[in-house]
Amino acid sequence: GQNIDQPTEMTATEGAIVQINCTYQTSGFNGLFWYQQHAGEAPTFLSYNVLDGLEEKGRFSSFLSRSKGYSYLLLKELQMKDSASYLCAVYGQNFVFGPGTRLSVLP
Amino acid sequence: SAVISQKPSRDICQRGTSLTIQCQVDSQVTMMFWYRQQPGQSLTLIATANQGSEATYESGFVIDKFPISRPNLTFSTLTVSNMSPEDSSIYLCSVGTSGIETQYFGPGTRLLVL
Repeated sequence: GQNIDQPTEMTATEGAIVQINCTYQTSGFNGLFWYQQHAGEAPTFLSYNVLDGLEEKGRFSSFLSRSKGYSYLLLKELQMKDSASYLCAVYGQNFVFGPGTRLSVLP
Repeated sequence: SAVISQKPSRDICQRGTSLTIQCQVDSQVTMMFWYRQQPGQSLTLIATANQGSEATYESGFVIDKFPISRPNLTFSTLTVSNMSPEDSSIYLCSVGTSGIETQYFGPGTRLLVL
């Protein structure tokens, strides 16, 4: 089976850096995804990792270690609009989403 | 990225009835998926909609309850059959524009079953 864990909630301050961790156990591995979802809206694609290492996209970076079953999403220079849920998803035998991490950015 | 629309955006239905949700994409896509997101929870994949053949359902979801059509590469429907209050959820269509690496979601359909 597949299992994905993320912290339920995190709080950070505007301008700071926050790291959201994701650990997973899957049957097969074809990629790991991060999505952002604002309340009442559909998820939006942030990043995709299939090889080990760090992928950087502006203020957002995503890291993957396949041997450890571990990924993180790094958000720099936090803004109020970054307050949202962040979903880790793994494509193994099928596509499975983690429970999501609700991030609150405080002024 | 693809532009995805869903109809209806929301609906309130009576127990025992069925609702068909449409998903339209502005370009041909290889993969289309249907998800459910229950209140306060993450997304659960219902099935992969296959063009020209039967959908591939995930564990816990069956064709009789969630029949899916995909007549071409830009359109799919999901029917929620014989609804009960437990089916109240947001139903989301997503597409993979270049395989699974890039998956984009439609705006969702909010369903309330009374």
